[in-house]
Amino acid sequence: GQNIDQPTEMTATEGAIVQINCTYQTSGFNGLFWYQQHAGEAPTFLSYNVLDGLEEKGRFSSFLSRSKGYSYLLLKELQMKDSASYLCAVRSPLKNNDYKLSFGAGTTVTVRA
Amino acid sequence: DAGITQSPRYKITETGRQVTLMCHQTWSHSYMFWYRQDLGHGLRLIYYSAAADITDKGEVPDGYVVSRSKTENFPLTLESATRSQTSVYFCASSETFHQPQHFGDGTRLSIL
Repeated sequence: GQNIDQPTEMTATEGAIVQINCTYQTSGFNGLFWYQQHAGEAPTFLSYNVLDGLEEKGRFSSFLSRSKGYSYLLLKELQMKDSASYLCAVRSPLKNNDYKLSFGAGTTVTVRA
Repeated sequence: DAGITQSPRYKITETGRQVTLMCHQTWSHSYMFWYRQDLGHGLRLIYYSAAADITDKGEVPDGYVVSRSKTENFPLTLESATRSQTSVYFCASSETFHQPQHFGDGTRLSIL
């Protein structure tokens, strides 16, 4: 089965840094995605890790440790528009050489002035 | 504009009715997906399709039917709606299974 855990809520101040952790236990692993979802909107792709280490993309960075089943998303220089839900998703193999994405329940980040 | 569109955006129906949610993408992506999103559960895969005329079950397929006669369309049908199918439904597409998925704006479905 698939088990993906992330905190339900986090609050931070504008200009600060927030780290959202994600731990996973899945049947097979073929990459980890982070998506951002504003309330009432579609999820949008933020980052992707398939090898261990840090991927940096502007104010957002994502880290992966496959041996620990662990990832985090780091949001720097927080802005009010970063208030959203952040979804951790693990890709794992299905039959027929297909893959599926299994999503965590999401972490709602609230940025305060 | 190119993209992925879902219709309707909002739908209210009654138990036992058949309802079809539409999904259309203009990228010619091979893969298309249907998810439902419920509080506390995250996104769960209902069905997916690797190409026209090729569909397969996801995690929660019971009570749903899909078809894909054309690459760009992937409708989802609830044959006899139940209250437990009240949810937000997202359609997504990707060029390959290894590319990020792009999501539509969702359909908010309420079954009374």
